[in-house]
Amino acid sequence: QSALTQPASVSGSPGQSITISCTGTSSDIGGYNYISWFQQHPGKAPKLMISDVSDRPSGVSNRFSGSKSGNTASLTISGLQAEDEADYYCSSYTSSSTWVFGGGTKLTVL
Amino acid sequence: QVQLVESGGGVVQPGRSLRLSCAASGFPFSDHAMHWVRQAPGKGLEWVAVISYDGNKKYYADSVKGRFTISRDNSKNTLYLQMNSLRAEDTAVYYCAREIRFRFDPWGQGTLVTVAS
Repeated sequence: QSALTQPASVSGSPGQSITISCTGTSSDIGGYNYISWFQQHPGKAPKLMISDVSDRPSGVSNRFSGSKSGNTASLTISGLQAEDEADYYCSSYTSSSTWVFGGGTKLTVL
Repeated sequence: QVQLVESGGGVVQPGRSLRLSCAASGFPFSDHAMHWVRQAPGKGLEWVAVISYDGNKKYYADSVKGRFTISRDNSKNTLYLQMNSLRAEDTAVYYCAREIRFRFDPWGQGTLVTVAS
């Protein structure tokens, strides 16, 4: 049950776009489309931003989008805003009927 | 509205036990699988365990297998996590989360467990 691999940090200026990658294996990301992305502000509970690779729950801005290629999933945030500054985590269902999270990525809006 | 409220956290000595609870409201609790996820101080999220809607299926992370037990009481709309043989590395905020078609939504506010002598 190794954690999915995410960059420790990314940054961008307001209005720009950034992409966060999440790399796993054929036993998790590569084998299923049950991939989610979560946003977590300091001291708060995680919030679902993307599910099933690219679906946005009701109420989530369309500036957030997800995709997958092979064993790597990606979260793209366009039109960066100051409120997007947070930690972001990916997760995936696995072939062992368990779940695994990424190590998390700290997004800084410059 | 959908709400999950964790309780039962606190300071406990290594080797001792603690039971966490997660009270659910605003949705048909017995229709959903439920999860526990934890986050050590300053660290990332770690999935802990899942229980099926009827309690018949349970899966655990390797790091807690054999020490933690997930359970539920659908008559009380409550999820539990029995934690035995606690270690310092179990120190974390523990969140419960509802599962809807393989997605975690929503999450509770979390309860802090500190394992220290």
